[in-house]
Amino acid sequence: GENVEQHPSTLSVQEGDSAVIKCTYSDSASNYFPWYKQELGKGPQLIIDIRSNVGEKKDQRIAVTLNKTAKHFSLHITETQPEDSAVYFCAASKGRNSSASKIIFGSGTRLSIRP
Amino acid sequence: KAGVTQTPRYLIKTRGQQVTLSCSPISGHRSVSWYQQTPGQGLQFLFEYFSETQRNKGNFPGRFSGRQFSNSRSEMNVSTLELGDSALYLCASSFISTGELFFGEGSRLTVL
Repeated sequence: GENVEQHPSTLSVQEGDSAVIKCTYSDSASNYFPWYKQELGKGPQLIIDIRSNVGEKKDQRIAVTLNKTAKHFSLHITETQPEDSAVYFCAASKGRNSSASKIIFGSGTRLSIRP
Repeated sequence: KAGVTQTPRYLIKTRGQQVTLSCSPISGHRSVSWYQQTPGQGLQFLFEYFSETQRNKGNFPGRFSGRQFSNSRSEMNVSTLELGDSALYLCASSFISTGELFFGEGSRLTVL
């Protein structure tokens, strides 16, 4: 079955610097890759997603890149701010319209922004 | 519009006891999924319900069970609790079974 590995498990960056979180997946049939942000005491929230027919997607300070050949995808946060401190999860599934059971999550990255 | 509501938010049980967790989805959402979150393990899928029917079940022992009511509210039950069941249990709802997931804040279970 699908397996998603996420690195690093913890990341600390200076406010204003960039942060990069990387994930790899095992099932080449996966074609939808969402990213979730979980703030302290809250549930995960979808922040951005990408489909396999797109190599990069941006939304303000957040961008995701996908390398289908290498089965890698990454989350890039530029000009980090204190409110970016949270746990980030990557995920993979075979289509945006997959049921919840088919969405495989990475183990999470705890991002801390140093003032 | 109210979000996904989970109760209780925190609870402490002892080994061998059982626990029931409740989830009220966003109004109009008919699909409810449950996840177990533990440090370093990410989100592990438990069950998925749609219109009172269990659609899928994750790789968890039979001590974990759930159900969904006609108003889409869902409960999950864990019997004969073990120390390893200590975790944050998250519920997510979606309009249809394949829609975007909206998560609740979770129920944090501690088993002593």
